[in-house]
Amino acid sequence: AQSVSQHNHHVILSEAASLELGCNYSYGGTVNLFWYVQYPGQHLQLLLKYFSGDPLVKGIKGFEAEFIKSKFSFNLRKPSVQWSDTAEYFCAVNRGGGADGLTFGKGTHLIIQP
Amino acid sequence: GAVVSQHPSRVICKSGTSVKIECRSLDFQATTMFWYRQFPKQSLMLMATSNEGSKATYEQGVEKDKFLINHASLTLSTLTVTSAHPEDSSFYICSAFHGFDEKLFFGSGTQLSVL
Repeated sequence: AQSVSQHNHHVILSEAASLELGCNYSYGGTVNLFWYVQYPGQHLQLLLKYFSGDPLVKGIKGFEAEFIKSKFSFNLRKPSVQWSDTAEYFCAVNRGGGADGLTFGKGTHLIIQP
Repeated sequence: GAVVSQHPSRVICKSGTSVKIECRSLDFQATTMFWYRQFPKQSLMLMATSNEGSKATYEQGVEKDKFLINHASLTLSTLTVTSAHPEDSSFYICSAFHGFDEKLFFGSGTQLSVL
């Protein structure tokens, strides 16, 4: 069974700082990779996803992630964070495409200080 | 964007009673819905995959007789926690697969507290 590891449970940054959230997965086969965000009081929503092709994927709100197959990693990045990026971020994987259940990491709580 | 409505958002019940949680896709049809469970400071754990018109597929370790899932229509899946006990207290989240967009949309979750 696959598993997902997020390295940081809590991250505190100042506005305009650069962000990188780590995500590693364990599964030897082909996977699809996702980052979800949950803003306070809101639903989980998709930030970006990787199925195949260019390993550098761009998502909404200026986020991007890079799939490095050799490292089993899919780290999330943003060059300059804003206060509104304060949220919980979840990395997730599945094997069968969008209609397959997701395996989530434990999440990273990101706090951006003004 | 697509919306998934989950109801109720919070429920408190006595031990031994059953609780039903509804998950509706409001503006799209979802042949596949998923139910997750989240403990405090833990990740979301997939409980089961619900396919319209067929039996749900449960993940290993999830009791299908305790967590009854019904997906009777393309816009509604329900999760019934039968004979709930305090250890069933948790946050339950549903998601629906939007085939056209190839995206999952999530409900806002249900906090279940069993006394």
